[in-house]
Amino acid sequence: QLQESGPGLVKPSGTLSLTCVVSGGSIINSNWWTWVRQAPGTGLEWIGEIYHNGNTNYSPSLNSRVSISVDKSKNQFSLKLNSVTAADTAMYYCASRHGAKNAFDVWGQGTMVTVSS
Amino acid sequence: DIQMTQSPSSLSASVGDRVTITCRASQTIDIYLNWYQQKPGKSPNPKVLIYSGSSVNNGVPSRFSGSGSGTDFTLTISSLQPEDFATYYCQQTYRSPFTFGPGTKVDIK
Repeated sequence: QLQESGPGLVKPSGTLSLTCVVSGGSIINSNWWTWVRQAPGTGLEWIGEIYHNGNTNYSPSLNSRVSISVDKSKNQFSLKLNSVTAADTAMYYCASRHGAKNAFDVWGQGTMVTVSS
Repeated sequence: DIQMTQSPSSLSASVGDRVTITCRASQTIDIYLNWYQQKPGKSPNPKVLIYSGSSVNNGVPSRFSGSGSGTDFTLTISSLQPEDFATYYCQQTYRSPFTFGPGTKVDIK
């Protein structure tokens, strides 16, 4: 299971910080750990992913503002998105990209983040 | 980036209908195409139905099937059930960034 946590409200120009706790298994496996977001009334947008060894892939559209890290001791991974604007208001999901299926097979419940002063 | 398109963007159907949704990639993605279902409400997190173009994920009813390779793919629901009214997204995992299609909303006729 995956569970997101973090502030639901972030001020413009601030930094959005979310954490995803992995339970029921180790973060050290063949999966990639992923963040996806969905602005209200729109589709799904892949943000980026991290492997347990720290290797990352990011969406080019967010690459300059995004950072994903992993904490193996806490079995969790985190997202930081800086210089946020209202356009970053969205439901943020963490998910795992299954190493063999190459699909996002486990998702968190999602956490809504609003960017507003 | 690989662009994904879906058609139709929405459709209305009745329980028992056969439903087909198509997805097209802007370049070849081999078989690396996944289909997700997303329902509104308390737990709107997407659920993977089909991976690698045609492999049905564990626990997914057999009325769901996928086909295709290269650039053109389809999701078929053989006999639509009440719980299938949802939005369906395709996604390529051939190359990062892993782009999603814009979605197809299936609602009740």
